[in-house]
Amino acid sequence: EAGVAQSPRYKIIEKRQSVAFWCNPISGHATLYWYQQILGQGPKLLIQFQNNGVVDDSQLPKDRFSAERLKGVDSTLKIQPAKLEDSAVYLCASSQSLSGSSDTQYFGPGTRLTVL
Amino acid sequence: SQQGEEDPQALSIQEGENATMNCSYKTSINNLQWYRQNSGRGLVHLILIRSNEREKHSGRLRVTLDTSKKSSSLLITASRAADTASYFCATDGETSGSRLTFGEGTQLTVNP
Repeated sequence: EAGVAQSPRYKIIEKRQSVAFWCNPISGHATLYWYQQILGQGPKLLIQFQNNGVVDDSQLPKDRFSAERLKGVDSTLKIQPAKLEDSAVYLCASSQSLSGSSDTQYFGPGTRLTVL
Repeated sequence: SQQGEEDPQALSIQEGENATMNCSYKTSINNLQWYRQNSGRGLVHLILIRSNEREKHSGRLRVTLDTSKKSSSLLITASRAADTASYFCATDGETSGSRLTFGEGTQLTVNP
């Protein structure tokens, strides 16, 4: 089966600009996650969707980050305006069941964002 | 803050040797998972161990869990150059709900 798709793979922007990332999860997966991974660190969950509803966005900096999962399939993560500290890899993952945590998460290749 | 802390931060071994990585965590967990990340790639799930399990095997991987010490270890036997990657533990717990919290990772280098 096809894996989790993400685009673009790389993005370079200047601070205060806007940027959007796209994710297409594995077909049929109910749960979708966005993670931020800063160089040398483990991924940090930004937001979790079940179908098209938000389950957990407690670690999402809502003043500049937003995400949506219209129709419960694809998802978009936006940063507006970007700061230097947003430079990171943004990973999208999906899992099959609605239980989320005890289910295997399948990760996309990530989008590497550089903010200058 | 990160829930899990991996030890060591970096490990370099020769092909054929065993590699052991450790993970410690702070709060009670429901499950602990190990993931591998090759350079420039996403994470790949390796193994999940539940809080009521003590040991689990998958191929050349062996994971142990000691909930009294809040620690886990990942053993890779007969390592190969292709095992070179970063390895992360991730926990989901009673207080964090379904959120997975990842550690900082161990960078494993297997020299041919």
